Amino acid sequence: QVQLQESGPGLVKPSETLSLTCTVSGGSISSYYWSWIRQPPGKGLECIGYIYSSGSTIYNPSLASRVTISVDTSKNQFYLKLSSVTAADTAVYYCARHHTVTTQYTWFDPWGQGTLVTVSS
Amino acid sequence: DIVMTQSPDSLAVSLGERATINCKSSQTVLYSSNNNNYLAWYQQKPGQPPKLLIYWASTRESGVPDRFSGSGSGTDFTLTISSLQAEDVAVYYCQQYYSSPLTFGPGTKVNIK
Repeated sequence: QVQLQESGPGLVKPSETLSLTCTVSGGSISSYYWSWIRQPPGKGLECIGYIYSSGSTIYNPSLASRVTISVDTSKNQFYLKLSSVTAADTAVYYCARHHTVTTQYTWFDPWGQGTLVTVSS
Repeated sequence: DIVMTQSPDSLAVSLGERATINCKSSQTVLYSSNNNNYLAWYQQKPGQPPKLLIYWASTRESGVPDRFSGSGSGTDFTLTISSLQAEDVAVYYCQQYYSSPLTFGPGTKVNIK
């Protein structure tokens, strides 16, 4: 079955850029939408944005000015960059697949295990 | 954006008793052309990613115990745990996938009384 794994630095300095990779295994990244979702410690879930395997993206308007999501289908990976981070960006970052092929309007399944990114000097 | 709210924020239920969680969307998530409600429910335990329980508001994911059920339509939805088990202690989230940005409710924490 498809599995997702997030990777990247666990500590980022304020004002710098957070960069994460999600590696998809057990299936192709093609023909699906893929999301980044974050969860501040002790808080709820926030969708950051998503990308189709072709490269088209949709970002949450609240973060759009700082977010870039990209994909490399040859590596079966997609990526998150979040610029100008502050302590408010400290969170567990999850990658997830939109369940149904070719549509973004579906539930998330499966999810990666998540990676904690702390913003601190 | 569609804003999702949940009630209560937390609840404590005795083992074997019923737990009921409510979710409300700020606008309809019922797509009239296919009569489907674009609403999912997840369970999250500490240190784990959310686990899908219910989609299309009432369709149970494969492998999810049948004590979990979803109901509702339009803007008002309910997740019911018919007989609470110790392993059901978790935070439960609803999520709409009707329109972008896809949004989650704030979560309801379920504990044992």
